[in-house]
Amino acid sequence: GQNIDQPTEMTATEGAIVQINCTYQTSGFNGLFWYQQHAGEAPTFLSYNVLDGLEEKGRFSSFLSRSKGYSYLLLKELQMKDSASYLCAVRDSNYQLIWGAGTKLIIKP
Amino acid sequence: DAGITQSPRYKITETGRQVTLMCHQTWSHSYMFWYRQDLGHGLRLIYYSAAADITDKGEVPDGYVVSRSKTENFPLTLESATRSQTSVYFCASRNEGDSNQPQHFGDGTRLSIL
Repeated sequence: GQNIDQPTEMTATEGAIVQINCTYQTSGFNGLFWYQQHAGEAPTFLSYNVLDGLEEKGRFSSFLSRSKGYSYLLLKELQMKDSASYLCAVRDSNYQLIWGAGTKLIIKP
Repeated sequence: DAGITQSPRYKITETGRQVTLMCHQTWSHSYMFWYRQDLGHGLRLIYYSAAADITDKGEVPDGYVVSRSKTENFPLTLESATRSQTSVYFCASRNEGDSNQPQHFGDGTRLSIL
């Protein structure tokens, strides 16, 4: 079967750095996406990785290791508005997105 | 730039009733998707469409019907609603072409079935 694993919840302090991990087992791999979802709102696209390595986009970076079936999202200089759920999704061999259950990130002052 | 809109935003209905959730996008995206989101689960694909008049089942299609007569609209119908279909429903779309195209989501419909 296909499986995406993420921690259910994480807590971090404003101004700090947090790393949210995602491991996957899917039938094929055609890219990995990270989305942010604030409570009661729609998911919004953050980043895309298809090759191994780090993609940096402002305060957010995403890393991929295809051989390990592993990705992480790194958030720097945390702000209160970063409190949200972060969703990892893998595009499989049929080009469908398989979604993790999401990681709820709580930022404390 | 309206993007992708869903209606209604909230709906309460009773078991056995038929209910239709609407989705409209203004980008002329080829692909459209319907997901449901439940606590403890990732987004689960119900149906998707690659173009007008082309639809296909996703992971959890039972109890749902879709149609796509026009590129911009992709309604989802629950033919006889059950309590297990209480959920938040998201419509999404993406452009055709490179696989790095992300899906863009509507604001969701919160559906409660009593």
